[in-house]
Amino acid sequence: GENVEQHPSTLSVQEGDSAVIKCTYSDSASNYFPWYKQELGKRPQLIIDIRSNVGEKKDQRIAVTLNKTAKHFSLHITETQPEDSAVYFCAASGSGSARQLTFGSGTQLTVLP
Amino acid sequence: GAVVSQHPSRVICKSGTSVKIECRSLDFQATTMFWYRQFPKQSLMLMATSNEGSKATYEQGVEKDKFLINHASLTLSTLTVTSAHPEDSSFYICSAPFGVGQPQHFGDGTRLSIL
Repeated sequence: GENVEQHPSTLSVQEGDSAVIKCTYSDSASNYFPWYKQELGKRPQLIIDIRSNVGEKKDQRIAVTLNKTAKHFSLHITETQPEDSAVYFCAASGSGSARQLTFGSGTQLTVLP
Repeated sequence: GAVVSQHPSRVICKSGTSVKIECRSLDFQATTMFWYRQFPKQSLMLMATSNEGSKATYEQGVEKDKFLINHASLTLSTLTVTSAHPEDSSFYICSAPFGVGQPQHFGDGTRLSIL
């Protein structure tokens, strides 16, 4: 089955700096890669996703890059703000209608004011 | 706004009690829903895939007789934790894809505490 590894487990940055979180996946058949933000005690919220036919996607301060050959994808947050502090999860999903997600272990991002 | 509704949000009960958690898709039909469990400071672990009108598919290591899943309609899946024990205390979250090939949306989760 799919295995997703995520690094780092914790990340502290100064407000205004950029943050980068990296994930690798094992199943070359995976073709959908979402990123979720989870605040303490709340549900994960989709912040951005990318499909395997695209190398990069950007939405305001958030961007995701995908390297299919190396089987890794990254989340980039620019101009970080204190409200960006949360746990971020990457995930990977294969083809088919079931769309089971395999999650990474999570990254606790802390943005220091 | 939320597209997946999950209830209850919090349950505290005694050991041996059975607890039912509901997951509803709002304004869309979900032939498939997913149930996850999340322990403190850990990731989401898929427990089972709920299939409308057929048996759920359980992940390895998840006891199907302990975690009963029923997906009787296109908008409702339920997870029943039978004879719950303290080690079952966790955050249970359901999700449903908005459509074929669409992202999954999560319910608000259920914090289950077994005393």
